[in-house]
Amino acid sequence: NAGVTQTPKFRVLKTGQSMTLLCAQDMNHEYMYWYRQDPGMGLRLIHYSVGEGTTAKGEVPDGYNVSRLKKQNFLLGLESAAPSQTSVYFCASSYWGQDEAFFGQGTRLTVV
Amino acid sequence: SQQGEEDPQALSIQEGENATMNCSYKTSINNLQWYRQNSGRGLVHLILIRSNEREKHSGRLRVTLDTSKKSSSLLITASRAADTASYFCATGILTGGGNKLTFGTGTQLKVEL
Repeated sequence: NAGVTQTPKFRVLKTGQSMTLLCAQDMNHEYMYWYRQDPGMGLRLIHYSVGEGTTAKGEVPDGYNVSRLKKQNFLLGLESAAPSQTSVYFCASSYWGQDEAFFGQGTRLTVV
Repeated sequence: SQQGEEDPQALSIQEGENATMNCSYKTSINNLQWYRQNSGRGLVHLILIRSNEREKHSGRLRVTLDTSKKSSSLLITASRAADTASYFCATGILTGGGNKLTFGTGTQLKVEL
């Protein structure tokens, strides 16, 4: 039982490059979330999804896009990376009717 | 803006002592959760308290919630070196998007031998 798995764990991008972060969960959870964590800022919600084929904006969505083509996967895309997107990104999922969120181990992204 | 704000930002205690962390928030909530994060790792759920509850226990953890003051506290009793981590409160609001969590900035706890 892997839980929530994030790929990759580390990445360095040049300004303007694009990339996709993958989040996969094997718990059949309906809800999935992408957060970013910056020093002194706690975690901030980027985008979330309430089910396959649905996505919605969170607190800091600008510069990111997401897709949820399959229930178990939630993809976070950066079309044109900027240094301000240097952060640690966490994916989380939760089950309908339960409030606890399960987190992945994070992706450390550096944009130079 | 952050919903939850933890206090203190950092706490250093000796093994065996109790550690208390506080969380204040701004708007009405449905639940409040506490998470632990070890350095470089993901967050692990510790305990959840609902808005109609005042106190919950789980092992060495005790959480209180005062909705009139919009505040919560996490008490870790008989702390151990392994409790060294960052602790985050997260306020939950039930919406069409599930339980939308908003995290505070965290308390860094260091438990020394």
